[in-house]
Amino acid sequence: DTGVSQDPRHKITKRGQNVTFRCDPISEHNRLYWYRQTLGQGPEFLTYFQNEAQLEKSRLLSDRFSAERPKGSFSTLEIQRTEQGDSAMYLCASIEGWTSNTGELFFGEGSRLTVL
Amino acid sequence: SQQGEEDPQALSIQEGENATMNCSYKTSINNLQWYRQNSGRGLVHLILIRSNEREKHSGRLRVTLDTSKKSSSLLITASRAADTASYFCATDVYLGGGGADGLTFGKGTHLIIQP
Repeated sequence: DTGVSQDPRHKITKRGQNVTFRCDPISEHNRLYWYRQTLGQGPEFLTYFQNEAQLEKSRLLSDRFSAERPKGSFSTLEIQRTEQGDSAMYLCASIEGWTSNTGELFFGEGSRLTVL
Repeated sequence: SQQGEEDPQALSIQEGENATMNCSYKTSINNLQWYRQNSGRGLVHLILIRSNEREKHSGRLRVTLDTSKKSSSLLITASRAADTASYFCATDVYLGGGGADGLTFGKGTHLIIQP
């Protein structure tokens, strides 16, 4: 399968714990995006990478959040000292993006986080 | 912040009927896209319409774009129970990496097709 894969699909954790999500994009895609989606809302942009460079971060991404994309391949999103408000679906998307316009994004199935 | 706003927020129709969803946005765009999301799953791209296009078709889907009104509509004809999902419009946005390098999504329309 050559789609975007995310792991884990579900994570339940206690408040204060750290969690890490992984995203493997489609192999030839150089842009990778992280979005957060809460119940009944649309995806909200968190951050994105062009190859290994993190080009933009949303103000939603507090200092408890960090994202990496070493070697421009897979990416990780870590949340430290989780809070109940962090409970959401974390979506990863990728695109082969070299143009100035953004075309179709390919999304993974998401990682659902529940903070107790 | 989210630029697009879908209307209605929820829509319930009988199988076989047509479903129409609308999207309004605030700033000028290069293109507008529609995505579908089944419950608990990722988003799937449906169709992209460029700012210089007024209408586009794909199977049972028809999308229109009116840049003067900053609005778009998605029509699903002859709906099926399997069309039950949330539908989101997305517009390109400048994130700072050069060009319109990202997408911003609306809150979506939740469509229920009654068998």
